[in-house]
Amino acid sequence: AQSVTQPDIHITVSEGASLELRCNYSYGATPYLFWYVQSPGQGLQLLLKYFSGDTLVQGIKGFEAEFKRSQSSFNLRKPSVHWSDAAEYFCAFYNNNDMRFGAGTRLTVKP
Amino acid sequence: DTEVTQTPKHLVMGMTNKKSLKCEQHMGHRAMYWYKQKAKKPPELMFVYSYEKLSINESVPSRFSPECPNSSLLNLHLHALQPEDSALYLCASSQDPTAWGTFGSGTRLTVV
Repeated sequence: AQSVTQPDIHITVSEGASLELRCNYSYGATPYLFWYVQSPGQGLQLLLKYFSGDTLVQGIKGFEAEFKRSQSSFNLRKPSVHWSDAAEYFCAFYNNNDMRFGAGTRLTVKP
Repeated sequence: DTEVTQTPKHLVMGMTNKKSLKCEQHMGHRAMYWYKQKAKKPPELMFVYSYEKLSINESVPSRFSPECPNSSLLNLHLHALQPEDSALYLCASSQDPTAWGTFGSGTRLTVV
C-alpha cells in the first residue's frame, strides 16, 4: 500500500542546533515528494519539493532535504534552527492523482 | 499576486444551514483543490479540479458540493453538515494537477 510515514510525532531542539526530520515513503516507483510547514491556525507553506534529478534539494528558510531511493527516505534538515521554525511539518508524496501527507512532526524550539 | 485567498476565515453554522466557502487565486493556476484538516491531523484531499473540471472526488459525502465557476474561483457548498465535519478547510492551487503549490490560510468551520 502507498503510504508516507513520519516516525517522530514531536521533536524538541535548542535554538541554534541542527535539525533533521524523518520521512519514509512506501511506493513502487519514485513519487513526487514535498515538505510543508504549518503554523498554528494557518495554511501550509511549501518548503521544498523533489521531482527528479539532484537528490539534495534546497528549499526556503534555509531548509534542505535529501532523497535516498535505497532507504525510501526524504529527510528534512536545517543546520541551525531559529525560534520561528517552531511549527508542524508535513512530508507528502504525490503520484497519479494520489496525494498523501504524513501524520506530521511538531517541532518545538527551546531558547 | 502569489496568494490563494480563502473566505471566510471562520464560519459557524447549524446543521440545517446552507453556506459556501470561497477560494480565489490569480496566478493562472489551472488546478485547484479542497482539503479537509482535523485538529492535529494531516490534510486529507477532498476534491481536485483540473481545467475547471472535477477530476477527483475522494468519496466525499454529498453534503459537500464543489463548484468551479471559472479558472480563478473554487467554491465549496455546504448543506446539512454534521458536527464531525468541523475542521479547517484548505484550498490550494497549482500550475498543473500534481497537487503541489500554494495553499490558502483556510476556513475554520464549526458545525453546531
